[in-house]
Amino acid sequence: AQRVTQPEKLLSVFKGAPVELKCNYSYSGSPELFWYVQYSRQRLQLLLRHISRESIKGFTADLNKGETSFHLKKPFAQEEDSAMYYCALCFGNEKLTFGTGTRLTIIP
Amino acid sequence: EPEVTQTPSHQVTQMGQEVILRCVPISNHLYFYWYRQILGQKVEFLVSFYNNEISEKSEIFDDQFSVERPDGSNFTLKIRSTKLEDSAMYFCASSEALHDSNQPQHFGDGTRLSIL
Repeated sequence: AQRVTQPEKLLSVFKGAPVELKCNYSYSGSPELFWYVQYSRQRLQLLLRHISRESIKGFTADLNKGETSFHLKKPFAQEEDSAMYYCALCFGNEKLTFGTGTRLTIIP
Repeated sequence: EPEVTQTPSHQVTQMGQEVILRCVPISNHLYFYWYRQILGQKVEFLVSFYNNEISEKSEIFDDQFSVERPDGSNFTLKIRSTKLEDSAMYFCASSEALHDSNQPQHFGDGTRLSIL
């Protein structure tokens, strides 16, 4: 069964400090991994996907198949990064399996 | 940028009543999904829909639930006889279908369903 684990429910980081949101997954095939972000009172938005290998809003995430991880990183946190972050896994055009989410708070 | 739209934003219904949640997916998308998020819990998959039929459904999606694409633009979720535990945020999502490619799902703002 596919599963996504985000071990931290809450994470507080000072502005300007590095951010790392952890995500581990279990899936027997080769899934696609995503990070979705939900800012206060807004919809779930795609932040990035591993297949595109791009940096969005300064965030990057590298798929580590050996560790089955897809941690989200940003070198310097900004106040506008405060949001709920969800790691998600998908295979084919099938369901997204979400982690429980991490609420990131940036302390000014 | 095109968006998935959902109506209503908030629905309050008496237990046992039927409720229909509406979604307008992005126009060139062919895959449609419903998810729900009970307060304080994670986003859970309910059902996916492609080519006018359900392609996958979760254990949550029992006989009380149904989906329909009645007119080529709307995608609806019906709960036939609502229960208190159906109170949640319901998200609609859609994605393109490109051959051999995982396309990201785009989400609506959600409908908050409150069962009294």
